[in-house]
Amino acid sequence: LAKTTQPISMDSYEGQEVNITCSHNNIATNDYITWYQQFPSQGPRFIIQGYKTKVTNEVASLFIPADRKSSTLSLPRVSLSDTAVYYCLVAPTFSGYSTLTFGKGTMLLVSP
Amino acid sequence: NAGVTQTPKFQVLKTGQSMTLQCAQDMNHNSMYWYRQDPGMGLRLIYYSASEGTTDKGEVPNGYNVSRLNKREFSLRLESAAPSQTSVYFCASSEAGRGTDTQYFGPGTRLTVL
Repeated sequence: LAKTTQPISMDSYEGQEVNITCSHNNIATNDYITWYQQFPSQGPRFIIQGYKTKVTNEVASLFIPADRKSSTLSLPRVSLSDTAVYYCLVAPTFSGYSTLTFGKGTMLLVSP
Repeated sequence: NAGVTQTPKFQVLKTGQSMTLQCAQDMNHNSMYWYRQDPGMGLRLIYYSASEGTTDKGEVPNGYNVSRLNKREFSLRLESAAPSQTSVYFCASSEAGRGTDTQYFGPGTRLTVL
């Protein structure tokens, strides 16, 4: 299992772009990178997933360099409602592997 | 389509009491999971069921038992509750046992053991 390291917390202001970086130095060839978001008093929810280069959806972008040893979740123009904990996970795609390790995540606090 | 539902939402137990947390999903998913989340910690996997009829221990299984009743339902039982089991419990499901499958979470059960 690839171990991930991400900042414990980050602060931002409304309207700014926020980049949260996750380190995963021992990522394996079959591993994908997935980010989840958890609002207070709710379960986590899937945000974005990628293998390499850049992935973008309506919520966020995910940047993965060629060596794949890190990844960056980018949230454009955050609002107060983006205050949440963000988890970076690394796991393989092959079947028979059922578990994910969520870690402590990054607590993002967005202020007015 | 309710997704993943959990009952109850809140529960207070006395030390030594038993209870069962219920979880059901209506997405026809094969895999289901139970996590606990404590303040300042991430989610820790208690037990999971890769498919109907199978269950396996996760990171913190001691003090818990599970039952995969059918494809839809996965229950978590505390036989003799302890204060250390005070936590928020989340149930989740995913289509199959792949690491890239999205996990869908329920709203959680907040359990306090006195």
